[in-house]
This record gives sequence, C-alpha cells and structure tokens, in this order.
Amino acid sequence: SAVISQKPSRDICQRGTSLTIQCQVDSQVTMMFWYRQQPGQSLTLIATANQGSEATYESGFVIDKFPISRPNLTFSTLTVSNMSPEDSSIYLCSVADLGRGEQYFGPGTRLTVT
Amino acid sequence: AQSVTQLGSHVSVSEGALVLLRCNYSSSVPPYLFWYVQYPNQGLQLLLKYTTGATLVKGINGFEAEFKKSETSFHLTKPSAHMSDAAEYFCAVRVNQAGTALIFGKGTTLSVSS
Repeated sequence: SAVISQKPSRDICQRGTSLTIQCQVDSQVTMMFWYRQQPGQSLTLIATANQGSEATYESGFVIDKFPISRPNLTFSTLTVSNMSPEDSSIYLCSVADLGRGEQYFGPGTRLTVT
Repeated sequence: AQSVTQLGSHVSVSEGALVLLRCNYSSSVPPYLFWYVQYPNQGLQLLLKYTTGATLVKGINGFEAEFKKSETSFHLTKPSAHMSDAAEYFCAVRVNQAGTALIFGKGTTLSVSS
C-alpha cells in the first residue's frame, strides 16, 4: 500500500488567515482525495484531485474556500482560506489504488481555528 | 445515491468477548464495501474490503465481515476482543466505478474492558 505523509500534522490558526496542507505520496497515483473529519464526526469528501485537471468539489465545498493544487502524481495541497472556528477539523489526504480497488489515508492534519 | 448506516455509535465489550459492529448500506449498483479503523490521533487503516466473489472476507487483526446482499449488510466481527481493538471503526461504500471516492458511515466507537 502507498505511504502518505501530511504536513503540518497539526496547527492552531487565527480566524481570517489561511493554511496550506501538503500531502506527499511515496508512489505515483492518479487519483487523490481530500476529506474533512469534524470533531466527533465521520469523514466527508471535500474534493477529488486528478493530476493535470481541475479538482472536482463536492456539494457544500467551493474552490474559493478550499483551493487545491495537484502539480504532479505524488503531491497535492489543500488550502483552507479565510478560516473560521467552524473550519476546526482533521483534514485527511487519501489516494486510490485502482488496481486493488482500495484507498489509503494519510495521518491527517488537525486544525484548530481560534 | 449511496449511503451507509452504522447502527450503534458506541459498543462496549469485555476482553475475550465477541465483537459485532453493524453496517447497512444503500447502493443503486453492486457496491464495494470497506471497513476502516482509526486509532486515537491517527489516520485511517484499511481493515478489510469486499468487491466481488466470496462474501465472507477476512481482514487484519482477526476481523472478518460478511456481505449479505439480501440484507444490504456488511457487519464486522471478531471472535475474541482484545484491549488493543479499542478504536473508532468506519464502514464505507464505493460505487463500482473506477476512482469514485468513499462514502462513510458515522462510525462506531469500540470500547474493550478487562
């Protein structure tokens, strides 16, 4: 399975600022996903990021708030813009192994907005 | 649309007892089903998956799950609980199409007492 790392692992930010989360994979992958896990909740898909194309956002998530970059097959970033306390969550990067039909997750970035 | 329902947000068992975590799904196409485990302050780890073929699937750490189409269920079991099994467990469904992201249930917290 793919090994995924995320930076930062956690951060405390002030409202109105932005944070960029990095996701690095140890192998080339076509499809990457960004999920949000709010405190005590399940995971919700934010967007799907394919290399060479614009990210596809799920209902309730917009590019202006969560811009995503996917410059190559091993790396992606998610920016949380103009943060509010409601953005306090764990943000997880995931990659798909299409051959095995599986998804693997990074360790997550724990964001607290004050 | 696909959906996942996990019955019971919190399950408590004694060490050595049977573990049963319930998951029901809704899908308009043959589903791919997954169980993930999340230990405190960690990312998600794939326990097992069902795609096609044998309906009883075995995963890591002694867990197994049975796909029952007639009941639209994919319950997770383990014959004998261990203290180290205490974690959050998520059931997820993916449409039988390459690259589609996962839809997660709300999760079940498993507590194991000695």
